[in-house]
Amino acid sequence: EAGVAQSPRYKIIEKRQSVAFWCNPISGHATLYWYQQILGQGPKLLIQFQNNGVVDDSQLPKDRFSAERLKGVDSTLKIQPAKLEDSAVYLCASSTNRGPVQYFGPGTRLTVT
Amino acid sequence: GIQVEQSPPDLILQEGANSTLRCNFSDSVNNLQWFHQNPWGQLINLFYIPSGTKQNGRLSATTVATERYSLLYISSSQTTDSGVYFCAVQGAQKLVFGQGTRLTINP
Repeated sequence: EAGVAQSPRYKIIEKRQSVAFWCNPISGHATLYWYQQILGQGPKLLIQFQNNGVVDDSQLPKDRFSAERLKGVDSTLKIQPAKLEDSAVYLCASSTNRGPVQYFGPGTRLTVT
Repeated sequence: GIQVEQSPPDLILQEGANSTLRCNFSDSVNNLQWFHQNPWGQLINLFYIPSGTKQNGRLSATTVATERYSLLYISSSQTTDSGVYFCAVQGAQKLVFGQGTRLTINP
C-alpha cells in the first residue's frame, strides 16, 4: 500500500512570493490533515478535511494561507504572500473514518529568505 | 486547550541501554499516539494508546488515563532508534503534539 505522497520535498522562495504544496493521501482515507512543524517544535495542525469539507481550520492564518481538497482526494496548501516566519516543514497526514491513527507523508521543507 | 508536556527534552544513551520517555497531559483524552520522527524528518506512528499497555518488539507503552500520563519504554536501544519521539493527544478537539524528546543512541 502506497503511503502519503507530498511534493515538492524542498522549496526556497523569497518573502512576499507565493508557494503551493501538494498532498495525495493513502487510498481510501477520508480525512486529510495539513500540519506546520517549525524547527525544534512539534507539528501544529493547520487544517483538517473530512472528504472535501473543512472540519477544523482554527489555526490556519487565513489572510495568507489557503487550502483545498477537490473531489475529496488530493489537496493543495498555498501561502501568498510568504513571510520569513513561514519557514518550516509542512506535513500532510491522512486517516480512515474508522480510526484515529494518522499516517504522515515525508513533508515539504520551506525556506523563506 | 489541552496541554502536553514531554520529558526529558533530550536523552543521550549508549547502544544497548533502556530508556523511559514520559508524556503528561492536562485534560482527559480519547486519543493518544506516540510517534518517532527519524533524522530525515519522517513521522512514524508507534502506538495508538489512549489507555492501557501495548508492546511491539523492543518498544512498549503505557497510558494511565486517570492520572493523565503516558510512558514509552525502549529496551536494548539501537542507533536506529535515534530521533525525536512525540506524544500527541486529543480531547474534544484537534490532535495536539508535545515538544518531543530527542533521543541520541551512540554506538
